[in-house]
Amino acid sequence: NAGVTQTPKFQVLKTGQSMTLQCAQDMNHNSMYWYRQDPGMGLRLIYYSASEGTTDKGEVPNGYNVSRLNKREFSLRLESAAPSQTSVYFCASRATVLAGTRVYEQYFGPGTRLTVT
Amino acid sequence: RKEVEQDPGPFNVPEGATVAFNCTYSNSASQSFFWYRQDCRKEPKLLMSVYSSGNEDGRFTAQLNRASQYISLLIRDSKLSDSATYLCVVNRRGSYIPTFGRGTSLIVHP
Repeated sequence: NAGVTQTPKFQVLKTGQSMTLQCAQDMNHNSMYWYRQDPGMGLRLIYYSASEGTTDKGEVPNGYNVSRLNKREFSLRLESAAPSQTSVYFCASRATVLAGTRVYEQYFGPGTRLTVT
Repeated sequence: RKEVEQDPGPFNVPEGATVAFNCTYSNSASQSFFWYRQDCRKEPKLLMSVYSSGNEDGRFTAQLNRASQYISLLIRDSKLSDSATYLCVVNRRGSYIPTFGRGTSLIVHP
């Protein structure tokens, strides 16, 4: 199993350009997440998808859109990149949260390092 | 008050030392807890789950204190390779969104 994969690993964009970050998982997880991590800021949730067919905003959704393409894939789109979006982006997945029972751990992809100039 | 708080450190310890980190959480509905390790510029990786009865994995011991609302991570016989940032993660009952602490930096020196 590859776990969680992300493409690309590195990207440089000019202000105003658009791009899509791809994420796929092969663990049959229902929930998927996009985070960004900046120095001194910790992980911040951008969007998540609790299950196939649903997406919800996280803490910092402005400037981003997401698509849960199917159970395996969850993409993050920057429509008009800004320098403030320079960051490391991590995708994560998790098995379904079961009410009243075990909550499962998240698994992370290797990250995409994005620079916007 | 932040929902999950950690001392950012850095904790600077010599090889072979024992070091402990705490992580406090504010929401009493918190249900499950994890410790992750993150190396510089890499993704967070699960280190261990934290169970009510406490659990041990080699040199690592995790404890949960529900009454005082904190979890702890103890590392014995520190190795140079233990140098990393340690993130605590708290999950609220019924929520899809885990809450991450900002992490505690550990530097183990020769």
